[in-house]
Amino acid sequence: KAGVTQTPRYLIKTRGQQVTLSCSPISGHRSVSWYQQTPGQGLQFLFEYFSETQRNKGNFPGRFSGRQFSNSRSEMNVSTLELGDSALYLCASSNGQSNSPLHFGNGTRLTVT
Amino acid sequence: GENVEQHPSTLSVQEGDSAVIKCTYSDSASNYFPWYKQELGKRPQLIIDIRSNVGEKKDQRIAVTLNKTAKHFSLHITETQPEDSAVYFCAASFQGAQKLVFGQGTRLTINP
Repeated sequence: KAGVTQTPRYLIKTRGQQVTLSCSPISGHRSVSWYQQTPGQGLQFLFEYFSETQRNKGNFPGRFSGRQFSNSRSEMNVSTLELGDSALYLCASSNGQSNSPLHFGNGTRLTVT
Repeated sequence: GENVEQHPSTLSVQEGDSAVIKCTYSDSASNYFPWYKQELGKRPQLIIDIRSNVGEKKDQRIAVTLNKTAKHFSLHITETQPEDSAVYFCAASFQGAQKLVFGQGTRLTINP
């Protein structure tokens, strides 16, 4: 079974721009979660999608948004980029049931200059 | 609020010795506690998890213990090997297991 696939692996953007990251979950998984990882704040939950609906949301500003498609693939968008948005963005998938394990992708490294 | 505290932040042990990492959580409703290992430049990998209906779980050299009353759980690695060197994260579920709150991580170094 293929793992969680995230594209692109690396991105360099300028302040004020917007960016879209993509995540393909493990086949059969219907839940996709997004996390931001930085040296200072660690791993922080952004949001979770299940069957095309946002089911949980973290404490990030509205500039961070996401969506999920009918094939369970998910995209995350960040608008009006700030320097502090530089981070590793990790996507994780699961079958969506309570207490089911999350499996992470390799992440997208975003650098904002 | 939602919080997981993890200690120590760094840990250095001799090869063959044991390593213990401890976490405490704030939400008494949390019922799922996974541990992830992240090697440099790689994705976090699930190494073991425990649910609130059990107090201990073992998988070869790795074990996790849970004390729900005290709201803390620990990772135990025995007979450590150089390939155990990595950053380890604990996590606790909030609002169901699909929202994990992570500890700050422990950088474990195994000295040969």
